[in-house]
Amino acid sequence: RKEVEQDPGPFNVPEGATVAFNCTYSNSASQSFFWYRQDCRKEPKLLMSVYSSGNEDGRFTAQLNRASQYISLLIRDSKLSDSATYLCVVTRPDSNYQLIWGAGTKLIIKP
Amino acid sequence: GAVVSQHPSWVICKSGTSVKIECRSLDFQATTMFWYRQFPKQSLMLMATSNEGSKATYEQGVEKDKFLINHASLTLSTLTVTSAHPEDSSFYICSAGDRGLTEAFFGQGTRLTVV
Repeated sequence: RKEVEQDPGPFNVPEGATVAFNCTYSNSASQSFFWYRQDCRKEPKLLMSVYSSGNEDGRFTAQLNRASQYISLLIRDSKLSDSATYLCVVTRPDSNYQLIWGAGTKLIIKP
Repeated sequence: GAVVSQHPSWVICKSGTSVKIECRSLDFQATTMFWYRQFPKQSLMLMATSNEGSKATYEQGVEKDKFLINHASLTLSTLTVTSAHPEDSSFYICSAGDRGLTEAFFGQGTRLTVV
């Protein structure tokens, strides 16, 4: 079983719609969780950290469910510029810098 | 956020040659640098972790004699792909962290094509 699993997609979504991604992780001792965004042939960029209490940043909401070991990302009022691959990332329990990456979920926003 | 500069952004080389990729932290001291590799449609895979002044720690399955990592200073780490083969063609990316930072910062990545 992969350490971090995501649905690869692609998710084809009309502009303005709401879309949600889930990600599961295998190590219950993982401490930190993130969503990164990666555009084609570019480096990943941090979108947001994920906290146990859930957190929101504009149109983006991230939630963590430790009991079920999954992380979610919700994008509301999607824009064309949201088209990208969204990577779920978990840190190794013994290191806050060593990142374990999901393979990513590709999102395509259509006009 | 902090800036990490990675060069070159792309390189094409012949089979059997060596390629050096540089990763520099421009405005902070990177005590730890990570080197990742990403094949198309796959996740980033950690290759090795290097701490300044000490030998790199390689992940299982990564040949340390083929992927030479040097982290001689707090602002520079290099990855040398020796005797490159077409199967080494990939997207290589570094990230740097420091004890005072809450996240690691990424270089722009290097797309290596071995022909």
